[in-house]
Amino acid sequence: DSGVTQTPKHLITATGQRVTLRCSPRSGDLSVYWYQQSLDQGLQFLIQYYNGEERAKGNILERFSAQQFPDLHSELNLSSLELGDSALYFCASSVEGLVSYEQYFGPGTRLTVT
Amino acid sequence: QQQVKQSPQSLIVQKGGISIINCAYENTAFDYFPWYQQFPGKGPALLIAIRPDVSEKKEGRFTISFNKSAKQFSLHIMDSQPGDSATYFCAASGANQAGTALIFGKGTTLSVSS
Repeated sequence: DSGVTQTPKHLITATGQRVTLRCSPRSGDLSVYWYQQSLDQGLQFLIQYYNGEERAKGNILERFSAQQFPDLHSELNLSSLELGDSALYFCASSVEGLVSYEQYFGPGTRLTVT
Repeated sequence: QQQVKQSPQSLIVQKGGISIINCAYENTAFDYFPWYQQFPGKGPALLIAIRPDVSEKKEGRFTISFNKSAKQFSLHIMDSQPGDSATYFCAASGANQAGTALIFGKGTTLSVSS
């Protein structure tokens, strides 16, 4: 158990809909990362938040957005869903100090868009 | 553009044998190279990591070899066991690389036969 929690575990929804995925980082970790895992694209970085502020963006679609709240939990919002958005979405957290880049992943949310 | 190339895509090793997975990177700004292990239905778990100031790091049966001049690194699993059967991902990160987001290889599916 990495200490990172994600809810829900599974999500099935229809095209055009909007969903919210939730992540709670390990105790003490200030940084949260979101990754998407699909068979064709592999594991891809979406976005990073550090202590409530956006730190870096990767291959995140404009239909997707995220935020990190004062209690450090994070939410990933996916809107106008398309079939191609079906994937595993992982959250990872790290201390984000000067030395450590170690990221610990949660169990993921499997999103199925029908 | 794939910044981290991983090979082979799949690997079958007999119990007790040595499993070797290779990765190559392009960006010389990368300064952190972790390996993750992922079992079906689970999130990636940090296995072992190395920084470019050392050429080898060993933790139990797992060893990373790092060649900075060739921009290559590899994972060696000694005395491979059926419980090691999983997908392994190499990754790279650097302070100047989209925050400290991980750039992943495509993964290697390892099967250890008993």
